[in-house]
Amino acid sequence: NAGVTQTPKFRILKIGQSMTLQCAQDMNHNYMYWYRQDPGMGLKLIYYSVGAGITDKGEVPNGYNVSRSTTEDFPLRLELAAPSQTSVYFCASSQLGGEGEKLFFGSGTQLSVL
Amino acid sequence: GENVEQHPSTLSVQEGDSAVIKCTYSDSASNYFPWYKQELGKGPQLIIDIRSNVGEKKDQRIAVTLNKTAKHFSLHITETQPEDSAVYFCAASNPGNKLTFGGGTRVLVKP
Repeated sequence: NAGVTQTPKFRILKIGQSMTLQCAQDMNHNYMYWYRQDPGMGLKLIYYSVGAGITDKGEVPNGYNVSRSTTEDFPLRLELAAPSQTSVYFCASSQLGGEGEKLFFGSGTQLSVL
Repeated sequence: GENVEQHPSTLSVQEGDSAVIKCTYSDSASNYFPWYKQELGKGPQLIIDIRSNVGEKKDQRIAVTLNKTAKHFSLHITETQPEDSAVYFCAASNPGNKLTFGGGTRVLVKP
């Protein structure tokens, strides 16, 4: 199993550009998550999904959109990139999303908006 | 909502010494406290966790302690080795809510 795969690993965007961060998992997990990691700020939840066709906002959803058309894929869309979105983005998954469940993380996408 | 504070933000230790990272949480309903380790260029990985009905848990050189009354929990790494150099995150959650992470601690083990 590859686990959670994120692409691209690095990207530089100009202000106002759009892009999609890809995330795929091959563990048949129901729950998937997007986090952003800012220096000294830990991981903040952007959006999550409990299954195909169902998504919900996390702590910091503004400026982002998600979709979940299949169990495997959970792309994150930035429509009008802003410097405040410069961050490292992590996708994660878990089997059932229950209390106290282990998260499996991808290796991250480092995004710079200039 | 839950707020998790983590200290210190950086920690430098000599190989073989112990390292301790402390976290406090605000929501008394929180009952699950995992620790994740993030190596350079990789995503975080769960290394140990503890639930509110347990005061201490050990796994080889790492241990976690929980004080529910004071609402704080700690990660202890004994006999540190160079491969322990990483960023460590604590987190807390309660039923029906997602994990809230601390700000992270960068640990450097000097040979």
